[in-house]
Amino acid sequence: RKEVEQDPGPFNVPEGATVAFNCTYSNSASQSFFWYRQDCRKEPKLLMSVYSSGNEDGRFTAQLNRASQYISLLIRDSKLSDSATYLCVALYNFNKFYFGSGTKLNVKP
Amino acid sequence: EPEVTQTPSHQVTQMGQEVILRCVPISNHLYFYWYRQILGQKVEFLVSFYNNEISEKSEIFDDQFSVERPDGSNFTLKIRSTKLEDSAMYFCASSEGTRQGQHFGDGTRLSIL
Repeated sequence: RKEVEQDPGPFNVPEGATVAFNCTYSNSASQSFFWYRQDCRKEPKLLMSVYSSGNEDGRFTAQLNRASQYISLLIRDSKLSDSATYLCVALYNFNKFYFGSGTKLNVKP
Repeated sequence: EPEVTQTPSHQVTQMGQEVILRCVPISNHLYFYWYRQILGQKVEFLVSFYNNEISEKSEIFDDQFSVERPDGSNFTLKIRSTKLEDSAMYFCASSEGTRQGQHFGDGTRLSIL
């Protein structure tokens, strides 16, 4: 059983589009959640933490639904530079992080 | 902006040899982590380290693996007797607290021959 599951994609969208990714987690005891982006053969880079009330950072909005055990990431006005793999991460036991396999986004001109 | 640094960027080692991967976390961070990512696969948690001891480890982190913070700045991962399947990218990360996101180094590519 996968701790964190994501649709691998790819999501192919035109510039300017709005795109949303979901991620489900299996352990209801998980404490915190994050979205990272990873460019090909590079390190993961923290995009944003996900708070229970939902949070926004510029064009990016993250939401958490504890009842259904999923988190989401919405990207508005997609840019070419948004093309990457987006990783969903869940924290368990305050010190153990589970990464999803990632959702690939291709933003096309 | 402070960053996590890892050395070497690429390590090639014969199977059965010991290898040490080095990391310098961000200076005011208290929590340190090692991850690995086999090519084309997901990032896998190996171990977390706080207050000079391991706080959590995964099933991957068996007796062949060990971590150390020898001098207050470096954080090392040792693999005692490498196997072919240890070939992967190894990422070090650090954070201020467990609920804060982690900052990753740019990784060490380990190739076992």
